[in-house]
Amino acid sequence: AQTVTQSQPEMSVQEAETVTLSCTYDTSESDYYLFWYKQPPSRQMILVIRQEAYKQQNATENRFSVNFQKAAKSFSLKISDSQLGDAAMYFCAYRTGSSNTGKLIFGQGTTLQVKP
Amino acid sequence: NAGVMQNPRHLVRRRGQEARLRCSPMKGHSHVYWYRQLPEEGLKFMVYLQKENIIDESGMPKERFSAEFPKEGPSILRIQQVVRGDSAAYFCASNSGNTIYFGEGSWLTVV
Repeated sequence: AQTVTQSQPEMSVQEAETVTLSCTYDTSESDYYLFWYKQPPSRQMILVIRQEAYKQQNATENRFSVNFQKAAKSFSLKISDSQLGDAAMYFCAYRTGSSNTGKLIFGQGTTLQVKP
Repeated sequence: NAGVMQNPRHLVRRRGQEARLRCSPMKGHSHVYWYRQLPEEGLKFMVYLQKENIIDESGMPKERFSAEFPKEGPSILRIQQVVRGDSAAYFCASNSGNTIYFGEGSWLTVV
């Protein structure tokens, strides 16, 4: 069975600085998708970024980018120029690619604090 | 994602009562997922349904919990004889391509 591990329960960053959140996963599949979701105090789940396993190029969305290391089964999220609004819980998630309708497996989450 | 609609947003039930949570997926989608988030934890998959059919219920508790997605109307997650441990946020989701989008969640409090 697939598992997702986030080893940092809490992280903090100074406003305008860069922070990296770690995520590792375990799978025997070669085709899958990885996601980072943000959950602010409103508790809504917001998609931050997505990576297809078959793509070697790391995904980027504005200030958010990932470092996808397939062999190491690592999928870290880098937030550049951190803003106060980035403060939230961040979840890493895995989805199988073997069907069009795979469920998500989530990590335990990392709480990010942004200091002004 | 605003396309996935859940209601109620907040629900309070006394122990032993029934809770019903509703979800309408994104327009044109015929599949929904239900996830549960206990306090201070990540989301856990519960069940995946398409219209009139349960595809995967491997995350559903064996007792008291049931889900349906009728041909007409929203998907319903039903919890019978609620206990305090059922207090959680329940999220519904539907997928657009290979990405899953979530509703805003329903918060169940059992008193």
